Amino acid sequence: AQSVTQLDSHVSVSEGTPVLLRCNYSSSYSPSLFWYVQHPNKGLQLLLKYTSAATLVKGINGFEAEFKKSETSFHLTKPSAHMSDAAEYFCVVSDNTNAGKSTFGDGTTLTVKP
Amino acid sequence: GAVVSQHPSRVICKSGTSVKIECRSLDFQATTMFWYRQFPKQSLMLMATSNEGSKATYEQGVEKDKFLINHASLTLSTLTVTSAHPEDSSFYICSAAGPGGNQPQHFGDGTRLSIL
Repeated sequence: AQSVTQLDSHVSVSEGTPVLLRCNYSSSYSPSLFWYVQHPNKGLQLLLKYTSAATLVKGINGFEAEFKKSETSFHLTKPSAHMSDAAEYFCVVSDNTNAGKSTFGDGTTLTVKP
Repeated sequence: GAVVSQHPSRVICKSGTSVKIECRSLDFQATTMFWYRQFPKQSLMLMATSNEGSKATYEQGVEKDKFLINHASLTLSTLTVTSAHPEDSSFYICSAAGPGGNQPQHFGDGTRLSIL
């Protein structure tokens, strides 16, 4: 069994300030973890993925996430927010024993204020 | 990066009509494709998983006779909403993944289905 919890439904930051979107997971096996971004009326775009290699994962658009097994966390960060980062973000856990089937978090809405 | 094309992007039709949505992986072979439904301000709800050449696996509560899925090739899967009614109005999103258990899903841009 697996689950994922995004701890904040809404996050608001000012442009140029750091972004932190929190995600905790549970999995019976060594999971793969992903962060996706969704802009309004669009599909999901992959930001980054963790698949048991380096625990600090760098993604696109300046985002990165750190896999912390002891804390069962995979928080998404960015040093400096840009207006274009405003979107919905989903943390996803995939149980590698059930090829490709994933569990999605409820999403975090990121608002960036000018 | 991997590209998934979903068509059409928007459909408006009358109640009782059947609607077909296509999902194509343009530059990789998708051994598995997924169909999701997303309600406003909510996360994605998995409807079914399809593997090329075999029957789709539907999630609990999803009517297989209502939502017909075909995955005839490694690059194409279709979802047909049969005899659509207003309650079927939603945002439908497909995704595709290559072989292996830790492959990321690559998503189409979604289809906004509105049944009048």
